[in-house]
Amino acid sequence: GESVGLHLPTLSVQEGDNSIINCAYSNSASDYFIWYKQESGKGPQFIIDIRSNMDKRQGQRVTVLLNKTVKHLSLQIAATQPGDSAVYFCAEPYSGNTPLVFGKGTRLSVIA
Amino acid sequence: GAVVSQHPSRVICKSGTSVKIECRSLDFQATTMFWYRQFPKQSLMLMATSNEGSKATYEQGVEKDKFLINHASLTLSTLTVTSAHPEDSSFYICSANREPYNEQFFGPGTRLTVL
Repeated sequence: GESVGLHLPTLSVQEGDNSIINCAYSNSASDYFIWYKQESGKGPQFIIDIRSNMDKRQGQRVTVLLNKTVKHLSLQIAATQPGDSAVYFCAEPYSGNTPLVFGKGTRLSVIA
Repeated sequence: GAVVSQHPSRVICKSGTSVKIECRSLDFQATTMFWYRQFPKQSLMLMATSNEGSKATYEQGVEKDKFLINHASLTLSTLTVTSAHPEDSSFYICSANREPYNEQFFGPGTRLTVL
């Protein structure tokens, strides 16, 4: 079936550098995407979302880019900090609404 | 903000016993909650949709008689793992849907270990 997936399973970044986490999706009808952060032993935390009528959305130190042409989205974290170390998931609503289908996840490790 | 709690956070049980996990929305009402399961180093997999006052909707491959879901109030859904076996050991996470914008808020998860 249609799914959301990630290109890279792990990413190591030097503290202070920018991080880019990528996600590909297969359902061209998808119109809403969410990025979650999951720290070890905890539930996912909402980071930022984007709708398909936007190409870019910025939050605090985070930016999500959506390229509908190639069905790809990315999460950019500026000035990565040790507290950013976690697994990051992209997710989309299951069937136009909730629940969510999660991608495979990328583990971000920040090197001090 | 919207807070979802789970209890217990960690449970260890013997094979063959049943375990109940609670999911509560603390500051909002949720007619719909979701139960996910996560194995180590894997993504979250939806198990079932819990609907207040009606039967849960299970995903394909999830045994409804093994994973009993009850959503008796607008702030509480429970997942009971019946006759648990070691292969049921996993991280169980719930989320609660806050209307009208259908925002999902996740609980902190419950680590189940079946010996």
